[in-house]
Amino acid sequence: DAGITQSPRHKVTETGTPVTLRCHQTENHRYMYWYRQDPGHGLRLIHYSYGVKDTDKGEVSDGYSVSRSKTEDFLLTLESATSSQTSVYFCAVFSGHEQYFGPGTRLTVT
Amino acid sequence: AQTVTQSQPEMSVQEAETVTLSCTYDTSESDYYLFWYKQPPSRQMILVIRQEAYKQQNATENRFSVNFQKAAKSFSLKISDSQLGDAAMYFCAYRSAGTGGFKTIFGAGTRLFVKA
Repeated sequence: DAGITQSPRHKVTETGTPVTLRCHQTENHRYMYWYRQDPGHGLRLIHYSYGVKDTDKGEVSDGYSVSRSKTEDFLLTLESATSSQTSVYFCAVFSGHEQYFGPGTRLTVT
Repeated sequence: AQTVTQSQPEMSVQEAETVTLSCTYDTSESDYYLFWYKQPPSRQMILVIRQEAYKQQNATENRFSVNFQKAAKSFSLKISDSQLGDAAMYFCAYRSAGTGGFKTIFGAGTRLFVKA
């Protein structure tokens, strides 16, 4: 599992509230990613990081921001959650030739 | 932009039989990687198999093998001797061999049911 943990694993929040999801890795991987998984869409890239303080947008970045102040932590923030952001969120790292994924966070916005 | 298409939302197979999941992709690049990931009910994403585009030989991992047709941009996964534990969502994925952040593009997935 490439030493990846995500917290929280489940969260229910109300529309308009801020939410931060945390991805933590223990193996010093340089590249980290945030995806969302929705039925019929597979996994879509939200943001990724290629080093401390180095991040870039993915395919579905609107409404999300990220930060990486330490190699091991990559944070995903929904500044003002909306119902369309109800999803399962996966963190991943790049190692070798492929990406390895965390266990996922199920976020429900009511 | 690259795209990955899985045209079968669901498939089913009898235990011990063989099933093939289809995947097509679109790219103008010549060097890239293709993957199949498995997502069981636990939700964990598990890498099943990887294929390098420059290799003509099809990748194989135990009961899992691929049929890689570069000219046709096709990448199917064959599961032999299907087992109940193979029931899962399967995602086909593409990654450019260039750096580009090592970003991976996923298909919409195929849900595989295995009947006892």
